[in-house]
Amino acid sequence: GESVGLHLPTLSVQEGDNSIINCAYSNSASDYFIWYKQESGKGPQFIIDIRSNMDKRQGQRVTVLLNKTVKHLSLQIAATQPGDSAVYFCAENSFGYGQNFVFGPGTRLSVLP
Amino acid sequence: DAGVIQSPRHEVTEMGQEVTLRCKPISGHNSLFWYRQTMMRGLELLIYFNNNVPIDDSGMPEDRFSAKMPNASFSTLKIQPSEPRDSAVYFCASKKTVDNEAFFGQGTRLTVV
Repeated sequence: GESVGLHLPTLSVQEGDNSIINCAYSNSASDYFIWYKQESGKGPQFIIDIRSNMDKRQGQRVTVLLNKTVKHLSLQIAATQPGDSAVYFCAENSFGYGQNFVFGPGTRLSVLP
Repeated sequence: DAGVIQSPRHEVTEMGQEVTLRCKPISGHNSLFWYRQTMMRGLELLIYFNNNVPIDDSGMPEDRFSAKMPNASFSTLKIQPSEPRDSAVYFCASKKTVDNEAFFGQGTRLTVV
């Protein structure tokens, strides 16, 4: 089936710096994307979403960018804090395929003091 | 609201035994999802229900897996007989059908020895 993301990379950033987490998707029919944050021992938690008719959406300290041409998503976290340390997943969905969100393998973000 | 409640949090069982995982969705949510998370395969959707009716069970790996939702406030995922390769973290999530954000439970870590 279609897949989102290829590996589980690790990103280490200094506290206070900006973080950029990337995600590649392969289903060109996908029209809706979500970023989730998963802390150790917890379930994934919704961060921000974006529809395919947008290329940028901002939340509190987070920005998601969507490049449909190259099928790429990114999550930018401003002024990264220790509490941001977690695994971040992108998930894609095509509304024509119901509720089946395809999750990527995730990226582990470590915030260094 | 207490969020999505899963039980047990941890389950260790012997190969061949029956395992039942339980989920209480958030009140008012009418879509419920069961996911499995492993290092090798990431987060995979097993089955989802809408208004207590199974809509898509194509992710259920084998006939050993079954899921029920007898009412709007309770769902079970059963594995019979269990095998060591079933070891994973199983998440339940719920949402309102019209909303995009799904809320995940804390998960059940299953170990089959």
